[in-house]
Amino acid sequence: GESVGLHLPTLSVQEGDNSIINCAYSNSASDYFIWYKQESGKGPQFIIDIRSNMDKRQGQRVTVLLNKTVKHLSLQIAATQPGDSAVYFCAENFNNAGNMLTFGGGTRLMVKP
Amino acid sequence: DSGVTQTPKHLITATGQRVTLRCSPRSGDLSVYWYQQSLDQGLQFLIQYYNGEERAKGNILERFSAQQFPDLHSELNLSSLELGDSALYFCASSSGLVTNEQFFGPGTRLTVL
Repeated sequence: GESVGLHLPTLSVQEGDNSIINCAYSNSASDYFIWYKQESGKGPQFIIDIRSNMDKRQGQRVTVLLNKTVKHLSLQIAATQPGDSAVYFCAENFNNAGNMLTFGGGTRLMVKP
Repeated sequence: DSGVTQTPKHLITATGQRVTLRCSPRSGDLSVYWYQQSLDQGLQFLIQYYNGEERAKGNILERFSAQQFPDLHSELNLSSLELGDSALYFCASSSGLVTNEQFFGPGTRLTVL
């Protein structure tokens, strides 16, 4: 398969280091904020979500931080591995009717061995 | 493998033509979503169906339509195609009506010449 060759901001990290990917969102009324990972030639894959009334949520090797004051979301990946190389998208979920995800522009993470 | 299948994988057609993209959701999932991923617009939500009914609509053009059949598979119909419709089209599915974790298929790459 192919991947979309988006002109994305790129974060380059050394294997084993921690990665921090940032995202600014626009809608204060969003109920959830979500991170997705898209590897080359594949569809996006859910990583973690956080409800709007929370500041922090941890998963396996990942932590999402939400700062509603400045409308900022971040994804921290601990001990980054080559398999983490991908494009990472933040998304907002409007739950008014149905389940509409609004995706951000994405950040490309490159892990150097 | 997410369990979501999409056909065809690639589609090349001419301006003015009509195409149909097909999606089979994961077994048991009632919600199907369609997304468009292009170079200039990123990943955009088009439409959601839940158990055969339209439940959320994004920036879907009037030339585009979708439906979900009783067996829960879905089709996205794109008509009067323009060069700008060239993109990756993803289908995703989830178990519920309102779910942050959506499972994406591998996508259909549409090229309009």
